[in-house]
This record gives sequence, C-alpha cells and structure tokens, in this order.
Amino acid sequence: DAGVIQSPRHEVTEMGQEVTLRCKPISGHDYLFWYRQTMMRGLELLIYFNNNVPIDDSGMPEDRFSAKMPNASFSTLKIQPSEPRDSAVYFCASSMGQQYSPLHFGNGTRLTVT
Amino acid sequence: LAKTTQPISMDSYEGQEVNITCSHNNIATNDYITWYQQFPSQGPRFIIQGYKTKVTNEVASLFIPADRKSSTLSLPRVSLSDTAVYYCLVARGDSSYKLIFGSGTRLLVRP
Repeated sequence: DAGVIQSPRHEVTEMGQEVTLRCKPISGHDYLFWYRQTMMRGLELLIYFNNNVPIDDSGMPEDRFSAKMPNASFSTLKIQPSEPRDSAVYFCASSMGQQYSPLHFGNGTRLTVT
Repeated sequence: LAKTTQPISMDSYEGQEVNITCSHNNIATNDYITWYQQFPSQGPRFIIQGYKTKVTNEVASLFIPADRKSSTLSLPRVSLSDTAVYYCLVARGDSSYKLIFGSGTRLLVRP
C-alpha cells in the first residue's frame, strides 16, 4: 500500500501563474478529498468526490479554484490565477465507500505564491 | 455538524499517560467520534474512532460516557515521538464523509 501520493511536495510560483496540484488516491478508495491548511484557518475541506464525481464543492474559495477527477486513480486541483493568499499546504485524502471509513491523507503540497 | 471543543495545548513528560478531553455537546444519535494525529509536514493520520463506552487499539484508548457529550483520548506512556496535534472530530451519520477539523490540541512531550 503506497498510500496517497501527492505531487509536487513543494511549489513556488509568482502571482498570476497557474498552479496544478496532483493526487493519486489509494487503489480501491472511491472517495477523494482536497483540504487546505493554513495557520489562520486550520484545515479546510475544499471539495470531495465520490466515484470520480464532485459531490460537494462548497468549500472551494473562489472561481479561481477548480478540481477534476478524470479517473479513479488521479485528481487535480488547479488555481488560476494564483494569488499570495493561496499560499498554504494542500492535502489530498481518500477513503473507502463504507460510512465512517477513516480518511488516508497524503503528505501534502506546500504552495508558496510570491 | 457537531462543534467540538478541546484544549489548545498540553504538555507532558515521557512515560506519562496523557488524556485529551473533547466536548461535543450537540452530538447527534448517528454521530461517531473520531480522532486524528498530525505531525509537522505530514497529513493527519487516523488514530481511533468510537460510538460509546470504550474503544482500544494498539495506539490509544477512547472513552465515551453514556451521554456522549464528551470523549477522552488516552495515550499510554507517551514518548517524544507522540508530540503532535490531535484532532477530535464528529462524523455525522448522514454525511460522515465530510469531516470538519477544528483547531486541535498541540501535545508537547518533554524528555
């Protein structure tokens, strides 16, 4: 079990640039979540998918943020254009379909927008 | 979703037992209580989950009184490597996939 894999681990970009974060969930998990963590706001749920379909995107802060899951083994979170206030650690997590199944988190992508 | 309240920080020494209490006064009948642990530069890691009474695994114990308005995570004989942030969450029965994290408790274990 390789766990949830996120890439890149670190991303530094300039304001206005497009940023794409990537996630490979654990095989067999049919729920995928994107969280963002900052000192000020803690861990925030941005969006989650079930069977590749977005279920709840109410946490996505603005239209600049978009997420896709083209297949069961890959998801992206895109920010276009990026702004300094988007600087945070972005986590992807996955879980199995059973209710109350624990979330398995990746090690995150630390995004810095200058 | 039930709001949880837990101490912001706690200090302990190696070898001691640590108990972190979380209150969740408006917990609903179908809600489960779940605890996660987060080390620096890592994502949160599931520790333990329970509905009532006591649950024990190889890492921790979870005590839940009959009214379920609070819960206590117990870490036996902590070591320096247990220094982390511990989150108490309530997983709602009808939307248990949507976990909302609070501020957590920063546990510092000293030598």
